[in-house]
Amino acid sequence: KAGVTQTPRYLIKTRGQQVTLSCSPISGHRSVSWYQQTPGQGLQFLFEYFSETQRNKGNFPGRFSGRQFSNSRSEMNVSTLELGDSALYLCASSLEFGGQANEKLFFGSGTQLSVL
Amino acid sequence: AQKVTQAQTEISVVEKEDVTLDCVYETRDTTYYLFWYKQPPSGELVFLIRRNSFDEQNEISGRYSWNFQKSTSSFNFTITASQVVDSAVYFCALSASSSGGSYIPTFGRGTSLIVHP
Repeated sequence: KAGVTQTPRYLIKTRGQQVTLSCSPISGHRSVSWYQQTPGQGLQFLFEYFSETQRNKGNFPGRFSGRQFSNSRSEMNVSTLELGDSALYLCASSLEFGGQANEKLFFGSGTQLSVL
Repeated sequence: AQKVTQAQTEISVVEKEDVTLDCVYETRDTTYYLFWYKQPPSGELVFLIRRNSFDEQNEISGRYSWNFQKSTSSFNFTITASQVVDSAVYFCALSASSSGGSYIPTFGRGTSLIVHP
């Protein structure tokens, strides 16, 4: 079974630009969640999608958005990039996630975003 | 509110030494789950173990063992006879329902383990 696939692996953007990151979950997993990882803040939850609906959202500005398609693939978008958005963005999939406390997450290798 | 504290930012050991990674958590829920994940240099977090709040039995899996103590709100992770391949960042996480029914896990800041040959 293929794991969680994130593309691209690396991205370099400049301030003010926008970026779209992609995540393909494990086959059969309906929940996709996104995390931002930085040395200063650690792992922070961005949002979770389940059956094409955003079910949970973390404490991030509206510049961060996402969506999920009918095949469970997900994209996240960051508009008007700031220097502080430089981070590793991780996607995780699970069968249920927000509906079950005991769900274990399967992570992708992440997209390393650098904003210059 | 949920909180997970991993006080050790970085630990450096020599191969074959035993090492314990500490995790202390806070939650008001009586039902919750604790996890450990490993993040190797490749980036993806890999699930290691899940423990529910009603099961305080310690667990051993090969060179890995976990000690869960509700009395001290701790869920520590020990690697016996460490190896270079154990070098990674290890995250402790807590999942409970205190945030209005959504089981969003809270992660600690991670402990970077460096095992020298």
